[in-house]
Amino acid sequence: DGGITQSPKYLFRKEGQNVTLSCEQNLNHDAMYWYRQDPGQGLRLIYYSQIVNDFQKGDIAEGYSVSREKKESFPLTVTSAQKNPTAFYLCASSIWRDRGNTEAFFGQGTRLTVV
Amino acid sequence: SQKIEQNSEALNIQEGKTATLTCNYTNYSPAYLQWYRQDPGRGPVFLLLIRENEKEKRKERLKVTFDTTLKQSLFHITASQPADSATYLCARLHNQAGTALIFGKGTTLSVSS
Repeated sequence: DGGITQSPKYLFRKEGQNVTLSCEQNLNHDAMYWYRQDPGQGLRLIYYSQIVNDFQKGDIAEGYSVSREKKESFPLTVTSAQKNPTAFYLCASSIWRDRGNTEAFFGQGTRLTVV
Repeated sequence: SQKIEQNSEALNIQEGKTATLTCNYTNYSPAYLQWYRQDPGRGPVFLLLIRENEKEKRKERLKVTFDTTLKQSLFHITASQPADSATYLCARLHNQAGTALIFGKGTTLSVSS
């Protein structure tokens, strides 16, 4: 079955530690995205990648880093510089179409809690 | 910068009624608007996409409208069921981030039996 897989579903991190969230897709999509969702807030764009070996900062990239070495994979690292990392993280992918004519496929999310 | 707003955080209706959710956008009209459903603790799932030159789009019990004059999209669920209870998100092209989307905060629909 084609889809997008995030792991782990729940993650606990001590303050001051870096942690990496996994995102893998077998949909053959060129574009991949990371969003953050907090209670009462919409999805906010952290990073996006339109093609392998290229990625760009989104609206709230500070304290995060990504890599895109393979088409299928787009891991997100939450660094110790992120002031408020506790949130629900969503990875998504889409094919390339113009002007918003492209639906996004989401993973099931990773809930990160800093303890 | 463009914004997309869903004015109601929550909507409570009785089973069998029609639910109507509103999405408003600012600045220029997007070429497309999209609607997603999100269940608690899960990722959003795509429902419908409507183009700016389409007045209305239907899929089973779902109907979406796009009014470029009012800068608004309405999302209707007819003959609502308790299983329709979820958060519904509207989205448009971010426009400063490739093909990424920008989402509204969502409206949480509760359908009671």
